[in-house]
Amino acid sequence: GESVGLHLPTLSVQEGDNSIINCAYSNSASDYFIWYKQESGKGPQFIIDIRSNMDKRQGQRVTVLLNKTVKHLSLQIAATQPGDSAVYFCAEALTGGSYIPTFGRGTSLIVHP
Amino acid sequence: NAGVTQTPKFQVLKTGQSMTLQCAQDMNHNSMYWYRQDPGMGLRLIYYSASEGTTDKGEVPNGYNVSRLNKREFSLRLESAAPSQTSVYFCASSDGTRGNTIYFGEGSWLTVV
Repeated sequence: GESVGLHLPTLSVQEGDNSIINCAYSNSASDYFIWYKQESGKGPQFIIDIRSNMDKRQGQRVTVLLNKTVKHLSLQIAATQPGDSAVYFCAEALTGGSYIPTFGRGTSLIVHP
Repeated sequence: NAGVTQTPKFQVLKTGQSMTLQCAQDMNHNSMYWYRQDPGMGLRLIYYSASEGTTDKGEVPNGYNVSRLNKREFSLRLESAAPSQTSVYFCASSDGTRGNTIYFGEGSWLTVV
């Protein structure tokens, strides 16, 4: 079946830098995309989402970009802080069917003080 | 609001033993899900329940059974535990409206020896 994947399993950045986490999806029919953050020992937490009729969506210090042409999704974190250290998952969903997001393997973000 | 609550948090089982993971949500959500998470892999769907009274298999249902006891509760049962079922299990819920956020519990760490 089709799946969501991540380009980089681990990303190390310095505190204050901007971070970019990438995600490739393969199901061209997916029309809803979500980013989750998972801290060690905890469940995934919703960060931001985007629908396929949008190219960009901004939240507090985070921006999600969607490029449907190349089926690519990215999460940008501005002024990365040590508290941003976590595993980040992207997920895709097809809202026309049963609402079951498919998750990628995750990228570990390490922020060095 | 407690959100999604899972019990137990940690459990060690012997091969062949049975156990039930409990999950409850207080957000009046229609849909509930059970995922497992293994090292280096994303979240894989075991079973889901789109609404009270319905359950469906996900990606990795073998060795598991579920019960949607009522709108609040969705349990996952291992009838005869195997070492391959050593994993972290996450329960989640959503209001079922396509394109809306899925909320996760804190996880249940299960070791089968």
